[in-house]
Amino acid sequence: DAMVIQNPRYQVTQFGKPVTLSCSQTLNHNVMYWYQQKSSQAPKLLFHYYDKDFNNEADTPDNFQSRRPNTSFCFLDIRSPGLGDAAMYLCATSSSQGNIQYFGAGTRLSVL
Amino acid sequence: SQKIEQNSEALNIQEGKTATLTCNYTNYSPAYLQWYRQDPGRGPVFLLLIRENEKEKRKERLKVTFDTTLKQSLFHITASQPADSATYLCALEVGGATNKLIFGTGTLLAVQP
Repeated sequence: DAMVIQNPRYQVTQFGKPVTLSCSQTLNHNVMYWYQQKSSQAPKLLFHYYDKDFNNEADTPDNFQSRRPNTSFCFLDIRSPGLGDAAMYLCATSSSQGNIQYFGAGTRLSVL
Repeated sequence: SQKIEQNSEALNIQEGKTATLTCNYTNYSPAYLQWYRQDPGRGPVFLLLIRENEKEKRKERLKVTFDTTLKQSLFHITASQPADSATYLCALEVGGATNKLIFGTGTLLAVQP
């Protein structure tokens, strides 16, 4: 089945130690998104790619970076994780021809 | 600024009853609005989309209404089942070819057997 896959499902890192989360998709969608979701809060868009064009949200901290080497893969890099970055990170995809976003299962990040 | 409000308190109903969830928004005129379901520890799953020129949309036991004058959407689940227990998120389109959405915080629905 076509889907959005996030790895790992759970990630533990140390304060200040860089961490990378990955997302892959078999839907061949040209738009990919990264969201941060904290407990009982709304998913918050960090940035998205339209094809290779990167679009950063105005309030996304510089600590968060992203790479999209090809259509299928997208990475979220957190350069120096702080305790406040502990959250669920969700990847989603969308076709520019449609309106629906398809989400992965998420990666829960813990920062010690 | 754009704001989306959903019932912050959990909604508890008995099996077989109709659940009604509310989504109110301000300072925006979305071309469409979507509802997603999110189970604990999982990503949201799309349920329904309703456009600004549509008053109502149905899918099986689900019904969504959209009142652009009141800036409100109502989400109904008829003949609710314990398996419907989850958090339901409202999301507004915020423009452009990239289908950007702003999500509400969601309402936790608990259906008691």
